[in-house]
Amino acid sequence: GAVVSQHPSRVICKSGTSVKIECRSLDFQATTMFWYRQFPKKSLMLMATSNEGSKATYEQGVEKDKFLINHASLTLSTLTVTSAHPEDSSFYICSARARDSYTQYFGPGTRLTVL
Amino acid sequence: QKEVEQNSGPLSVPEGAIASLNCTYSDRGSQSFFWYRQYSGKSPELIMSIYSNGDKEDGRFTAQLNKASQYVSLLIRDSQPSDSATYLCAVNVRNTGGFKTIFGAGTRLFVKA
Repeated sequence: GAVVSQHPSRVICKSGTSVKIECRSLDFQATTMFWYRQFPKKSLMLMATSNEGSKATYEQGVEKDKFLINHASLTLSTLTVTSAHPEDSSFYICSARARDSYTQYFGPGTRLTVL
Repeated sequence: QKEVEQNSGPLSVPEGAIASLNCTYSDRGSQSFFWYRQYSGKSPELIMSIYSNGDKEDGRFTAQLNKASQYVSLLIRDSQPSDSATYLCAVNVRNTGGFKTIFGAGTRLFVKA
């Protein structure tokens, strides 16, 4: 149980384009989803927290207009990186938590490369 | 003081030995604690959760919690080269509206064959 998927697993795009990453909870209802980014050999960095049906809460320093998060259902959250630049290249990981649960389960991650 | 602190390592142990990973946290009111394993280039995967003082065992893994000392540890018995990874300690800390999960920076473990 507690399986979280992400799609795509890897994406390469040109600078200036937008990229959408999907995060799905496959066998539970995720009332809260989290988006992280991680640079090579660095720690996880929380970007934002989203609750189903509500606007996402962004961490300090994360541009909400650049990283658009939508949590439209209890099983799906999306992260859109708008007008991507090479410095946005990173490993993006989502996690999900069910209602009344204390535990986050991570998706497999999406490796974004912006040329 | 960071909310969750771990020694970054690397911690190197020989195959078959016990690996001991430690974590301290600052919020005395924390009630939920987790250990995740992250292989290079992969996302974290949950190994164990622990909520009560004492030991919790699952196979070769034992989590230990001491709330009075604000300390949580992970022991890996009979360490294998496949255990080589970064181990993340995570703690649920109180915030407005409930709680949030804070991750430590992780300890890199190398198990030498």
